Amino acid sequence: QQQVKQSPQSLIVQKGGISIINCAYENTAFDYFPWYQQFPGKGPALLIAIRPDVSEKKEGRFTISFNKSAKQFSLHIMDSQPGDSATYFCAVARGAGNKLTFGGGTRVLVKP
Amino acid sequence: EPEVTQTPSHQVTQMGQEVILRCVPISNHLYFYWYRQILGQKVEFLVSFYNNEISEKSEIFDDQFSVERPDGSNFTLKIRSTKLEDSAMYFCASSRLAGGYEQYFGPGTRLTVT
Repeated sequence: QQQVKQSPQSLIVQKGGISIINCAYENTAFDYFPWYQQFPGKGPALLIAIRPDVSEKKEGRFTISFNKSAKQFSLHIMDSQPGDSATYFCAVARGAGNKLTFGGGTRVLVKP
Repeated sequence: EPEVTQTPSHQVTQMGQEVILRCVPISNHLYFYWYRQILGQKVEFLVSFYNNEISEKSEIFDDQFSVERPDGSNFTLKIRSTKLEDSAMYFCASSRLAGGYEQYFGPGTRLTVT
């Protein structure tokens, strides 16, 4: 049972371009939707997160768009930089203190 | 900025041996978690821990696994008899109590079972 489907699996974008990663979830009880960034050999680092009471959240070059009715959320990386090259994971959770269920990950490569 | 720390960074063990992975969560956090990531795959939940007891565990977390908070700062994951398929990165995470949605991950321990 795959609760979170993430796409694409990999993405190549030119420096300055926009990276877009999508996630779809099944359970409407989820109420927390974070994105994590992971560099090789490192732990996942919390990048940005959204709750279902808003449709968009922006932090610097990173934006989450949330579509509650479609049960989808996406990460937009504006003005992508080579330093953004990493694997990005979406995740979902139901309630504070509860487990995160991760998507399969998207490997992003930003070409200079 | 406070961080979750984990030791060792890399552990090599033989099949059937016991291993203990150690974590020091962020000091004012009260929820603790272990996740694992097999090479190239997604991060998978193992167990969550709150108020000195397991809150939730996954089907991966069988009788070979146990967790403990032996003192006020450490949080450990023990694998009693390791199998080849236990080879993975193991991440500890922690979150605050009030509004504790945000989980902060440690750098991980790479466990290699030979």
